[in-house]
Amino acid sequence: ENVLTQSPGTLSLSPGERATLSCRASQSVTSRYLAWYQQKPGQAPRLLIHGASNRAIGIPDRFSGSGSGTDFTLTISRLEPEDFAVYYCQQYGSSPGTFGHGTKVEIK
Amino acid sequence: QVQLQESGPGLVKPSETLSLTCTVSRGSINNYYWTWVRQPPGKGLECIGYIYYSGSTKYNPSLKSRVTISLDMSKNQFYLNLSSVTAGDTAVYYCARARSVVTYDAFDIWGQGTKVTVSS
Repeated sequence: ENVLTQSPGTLSLSPGERATLSCRASQSVTSRYLAWYQQKPGQAPRLLIHGASNRAIGIPDRFSGSGSGTDFTLTISRLEPEDFAVYYCQQYGSSPGTFGHGTKVEIK
Repeated sequence: QVQLQESGPGLVKPSETLSLTCTVSRGSINNYYWTWVRQPPGKGLECIGYIYYSGSTKYNPSLKSRVTISLDMSKNQFYLNLSSVTAGDTAVYYCARARSVVTYDAFDIWGQGTKVTVSS
């Protein structure tokens, strides 16, 4: 199983600041099959990024993904109030896929 | 826009089988991979498995001995059966669609989730 480790567990930032979230895989992720999701309380996850760096339909360009192999990053360039949530990475190259444990982005 | 809706019992007794249905509306079940994901209270997400519209399946190894995912194209529905449940199976269960028609991919459309509690 490809285990994904996300860091930090919690990120305390203010609106307007830059957020950098990390996702490290225990094995190389096949063909950059790495996705990022946002989840707010009581809601289903929402796809932000697929293929490591491709924004999903309707996702603002302040969200960007990068990385390859075992190290991936989600960057939110300037936090908006609606961006405070939990973020999960997922690899789907080794099906059916595994998720990281999440990073909570909270208001400082 | 395709929509997904989970349905099924909210309470299941230990050792029994959890059965859920995901209904696909405003679109066809054809050509896509369809998945089940669960989230225990206060915890992260876990892939349970998927079914391709052709009927092929792939399951999480940790659940493989207890899971069956199936589909009915005529009803535009797919299903989850999880046998011999314990309290550890208490979770919100989501159905979702993988975004590509070519290959297994990230999940772009999700149901709202249904909470299932395992308790006597």
